Amino acid sequence: EVQLVQSGAEVKKPGESLKISCEASGYKFTSYWIGWVRQMPGKGLEWMGIIFPGDSDTRYSPSFQGRVNISVDKSISTAFLQWSSLQASDIATYYCARQPYGSGSFFDSWGQGTLVTVSP
Amino acid sequence: EIVLTQSPGTLSLSPGERATLSCRASQSVTSNYFAWYQQKPGQAPRLLIYGVSSRATGIPERFSGSGSGTDLTLTITRLEPEDFAVYYCQQYGSSPGTFGQGTKVEIK
Repeated sequence: EVQLVQSGAEVKKPGESLKISCEASGYKFTSYWIGWVRQMPGKGLEWMGIIFPGDSDTRYSPSFQGRVNISVDKSISTAFLQWSSLQASDIATYYCARQPYGSGSFFDSWGQGTLVTVSP
Repeated sequence: EIVLTQSPGTLSLSPGERATLSCRASQSVTSNYFAWYQQKPGQAPRLLIYGVSSRATGIPERFSGSGSGTDLTLTITRLEPEDFAVYYCQQYGSSPGTFGQGTKVEIK
């Protein structure tokens, strides 16, 4: 069974850095793209970017390019989403999800979400 | 970036009724690469339909997708109590893979 387990909720101050994680199991981690999706409070889904764990090839939405960094650690089958300086506008739930059919694909399995709160 | 517009914003229906949700793309989507997701409060989205009309594993037959090019439809033939949720369309034929803003199906 494919499982994506995300790290727990975070409360940070503006300007702080943050790295959240998504641990995959139940499939060959290096063979499937993993993406990150943002959902701001009460809002819809936003596609942030994807990474191929096999070679760390990464694609970002123009809306998120330069604002976040997506990475993986193959040795622990984990993907990461990172901010160097959080802003209040980063308050959201972030989901990781697997793409089963290459870089242009839907998401077939989702993590449970990580709530990020930014407050002075 | 392809923009997806879903309609209506909210659909008020009773259990047993038929739900028809629409999604329109700002330009034609490669190879009809469209998907539908269901999201309930406090939960992650769940894949319902991909490739316009293919049901994901475990999705009941009352859910069906249709359409092509720029217009997509999700139909729920007879609403069950567990179907009241928010539904999102997504196109994945062009990067970034954009989502619609969602349609909420609520109990009338």
